[in-house]
Amino acid sequence: AQSVTQPDIHITVSEGASLELRCNYSYGATPYLFWYVQSPGQGLQLLLKYFSGDTLVQGIKGFEAEFKRSQSSFNLRKPSVHWSDAAEYFCAVGGFGNEKLTFGTGTRLTIIP
Amino acid sequence: GAVVSQHPSWVICKSGTSVKIECRSLDFQATTMFWYRQFPKQSLMLMATSNEGSKATYEQGVEKDKFLINHASLTLSTLTVTSAHPEDSSFYICSARSGREGSSWKGFGAGTRLSVL
Repeated sequence: AQSVTQPDIHITVSEGASLELRCNYSYGATPYLFWYVQSPGQGLQLLLKYFSGDTLVQGIKGFEAEFKRSQSSFNLRKPSVHWSDAAEYFCAVGGFGNEKLTFGTGTRLTIIP
Repeated sequence: GAVVSQHPSWVICKSGTSVKIECRSLDFQATTMFWYRQFPKQSLMLMATSNEGSKATYEQGVEKDKFLINHASLTLSTLTVTSAHPEDSSFYICSARSGREGSSWKGFGAGTRLSVL
């Protein structure tokens, strides 16, 4: 069965500091990996996704993520966070076919001045 | 780009009534649609997967008679919460795929917040 682990429930960083959100997945074949962001009371916005090819994926809002098959990880990074980045971040894994996306439990990001 | 539209965005209903939520693909054919439920400060839990023209596949623990899913066309899936009760209050989100490969993932609707009084 596929699963996603986001070990950090809540992270606080200072504005302008770098950010890394961790994501580990379990999937029996080549995974499709996603990062979504959700602001309070809002839907999900796709930040970036990995299907194949270059393991370093660039997304919107200055985010990037690196797929490391050997570590079953897909960590999200941003070199310098902005106050507007405060939100809930979800990592998800899916696969070929009509399979579902399985989500991690999310990481809440707080930005302090 | 691909757009998944969900309506309504917010609904309040009395206990015992039924509520219908629509999920539409605006510029692509959604061969598969997924319905998720999200409780406050929690992650998204898949409720069911629906393929156009066939019965939905429900996840374990989801009452199929309570959460009726219809996917009658390639652009519309509906979730009907029947005889809603306060414990059904939640945030419901749909997503859609247009095929089987990775690029077929087309995103999520904006979600529907259901409040049952």
